[in-house]
Amino acid sequence: DTAVSQTPKYLVTQMGNDKSIKCEQNLGHDTMYWYKQDSKKFLKIMFSYNNKELIINETVPNRFSPKSPDKAHLNLHINSLELGDSAVYFCASSQATRGRSGYTFGSGTRLTVV
Amino acid sequence: GNSVTQMEGPVTLSEEAFLTINCTYTATGYPSLFWYVQYPGEGLQLLLKATKADDKGSNKGFEATYRKETTSFHLEKGSVQVSDSAVYFCALIPSNAGGTSYGKLTFGQGTILTVHP
Repeated sequence: DTAVSQTPKYLVTQMGNDKSIKCEQNLGHDTMYWYKQDSKKFLKIMFSYNNKELIINETVPNRFSPKSPDKAHLNLHINSLELGDSAVYFCASSQATRGRSGYTFGSGTRLTVV
Repeated sequence: GNSVTQMEGPVTLSEEAFLTINCTYTATGYPSLFWYVQYPGEGLQLLLKATKADDKGSNKGFEATYRKETTSFHLEKGSVQVSDSAVYFCALIPSNAGGTSYGKLTFGQGTILTVHP
């Protein structure tokens, strides 16, 4: 069983479109995250949710909107896609009380905007 | 703020060579420290961790020791293999006296390792 699963794995779309990436974890964790990895491999946190409540919201354009229907799911919706949104997006989860034990990451969604 | 600095890559080694990837951090208190590995086309996997000063994390022949006095967490392996070719990330989660941590996992810039036969 995959611990943190993301869909789709690859996403190619045109500028201006709206797209969503889904993430699910079966680890029983209460905190989930979205990270963006750019072409230079640099990883930066975008959002974090704890028990469906937004707790970290970095400086991210308003076109990005996370949604957490329950603590096992954290989806990322992106409006009006731009070329600069092309990146690999990683979902991750952790247990807040054991957050210092590290995060478990999904395998990533490679988004290409053309 | 909290930050992590890794040695610049890429690093290219021959099989069975000794590996060191330097990592230093800036944070208050006692953060937890991690090394993650990203194999080509895959997600990030936790390689090892240390949560207090002088702790040594180890896994798959890799080791790193939490050095508070030098704020470092250097990754080492005595004999690398071709299969170790990957991107390695040093990272930290800040300390939280309350016991629960919503702290961000903050990454270094990553070091690309290529091992040749």
